Amino acid sequence: QQKVQQSPESLSVPEGGMASLNCTSSDRNFQYFWWYRQHSGEGPKALMSIFSDGDKKEGRFTAHLNKASLHVSLHIRDSQPSDSALYFCAARVQVVGQLTFGRGTRLQVYA
Amino acid sequence: NTKITQSPRYLILGRANKSLECEQHLGHNAMYWYKQSAEKPPELMFLYNLKQLIRNETVPSRFIPECPDSSKLLLHISAVDPEDSAVYFCASSPRGSGNTLYFGEGSRLIVV
Repeated sequence: QQKVQQSPESLSVPEGGMASLNCTSSDRNFQYFWWYRQHSGEGPKALMSIFSDGDKKEGRFTAHLNKASLHVSLHIRDSQPSDSALYFCAARVQVVGQLTFGRGTRLQVYA
Repeated sequence: NTKITQSPRYLILGRANKSLECEQHLGHNAMYWYKQSAEKPPELMFLYNLKQLIRNETVPSRFIPECPDSSKLLLHISAVDPEDSAVYFCASSPRGSGNTLYFGEGSRLIVV
């Protein structure tokens, strides 16, 4: 079973709209969570990290973590065509060590 | 991300030996090799933390990592197999700051 599960697999939103991506972990040992974004032909790039329950906002991006339900979400407001990419949720048990990625959500923002 | 450079960027091989190279200019303590097959998440192959190697035991023995110093990472591949066709990413992370991973641009390996 995939330890980090993402939904939906793909998502299409209009320019200026809100995109909501979800991630659920099956391992209660995960303490550290990230959202990574990968444009075609590039390496993944960290968007945000979140380690404590609640919301974390950086510009148009808001991450939410609920450790009790092992749920992490990412909300992108005012979506832009440049936000079109593959988004990965990733989690780690310890401060240093293996980072476990979900299978990704492909976001398409259309004009 | 020019602060982590990988070479070569593209590689087409038959059953040959080859080495991938990576250098990071971020002063990070940990370096990683990840393999990403098409439309799949990156999968950890090797991790060097302060030059101590941690390996993913599912990685075939024909992959041999080398960390000559804290800023350089090599991946030696002997007798490549078609299943090795993928993009290989080098990554690094600092001590502290939550240890966010920073990825290079990748080396795309095509085995014919």
